[in-house]
Amino acid sequence: EAGVAQSPRYKIIEKRQSVAFWCNPISGHATLYWYQQILGQGPKLLIQFQNNGVVDDSQLPKDRFSAERLKGVDSTLKIQPAKLEDSAVYLCASSYSGRARETQYFGPGTRLLVL
Amino acid sequence: AQSVTQPDIHITVSEGASLELRCNYSYGATPYLFWYVQSPGQGLQLLLKYFSGDTLVQGIKGFEAEFKRSQSSFNLRKPSVHWSDAAEYFCAVGEESNYQLIWGAGTKLIIKP
Repeated sequence: EAGVAQSPRYKIIEKRQSVAFWCNPISGHATLYWYQQILGQGPKLLIQFQNNGVVDDSQLPKDRFSAERLKGVDSTLKIQPAKLEDSAVYLCASSYSGRARETQYFGPGTRLLVL
Repeated sequence: AQSVTQPDIHITVSEGASLELRCNYSYGATPYLFWYVQSPGQGLQLLLKYFSGDTLVQGIKGFEAEFKRSQSSFNLRKPSVHWSDAAEYFCAVGEESNYQLIWGAGTKLIIKP
């Protein structure tokens, strides 16, 4: 079975530019997560989708970050405009139904550097 | 407040030696406990998880973890490490009523030849 796909793997941008990340979850998984992982820290949940609806976006900086999951399958996370502190790895994960006991399957991540 | 603590930022172990990585949590309810591993340039992969029952849980790659409620701990162990175990290890905690996992800051494992 194919895993969680993410692109691009690496991105370097100047501050105040915009950037977008794409994620395709495991087929049949209803729940999709976007995490931000800053160097030396654990993942921080930015947004959780259940099918194409948002379950939790309480930690998403909505003045600059946006995310969508059209048709309940793949998802895009956008940052506009980027700040230096957005430099991090952005991880996408999916799970079958989003229950707390389920395994989350992670993609390889997108490493973002904001200069 | 709910929290997960991994006291060791990094640990160095000789190849073939035993390993124990510590995880302590603060949680009001009966927790669901997870250990994930992140190899360089890779996403996180589940090693093992605990919900209920036998407090000693076996995982992939020869890892095991023991849930100790009295100590609020879920330490990860391996009897003999291999160079390929060099990675960062994350402990995470969740509960049924709150789907969001709380993650520790991670422990980086360095293997000495």
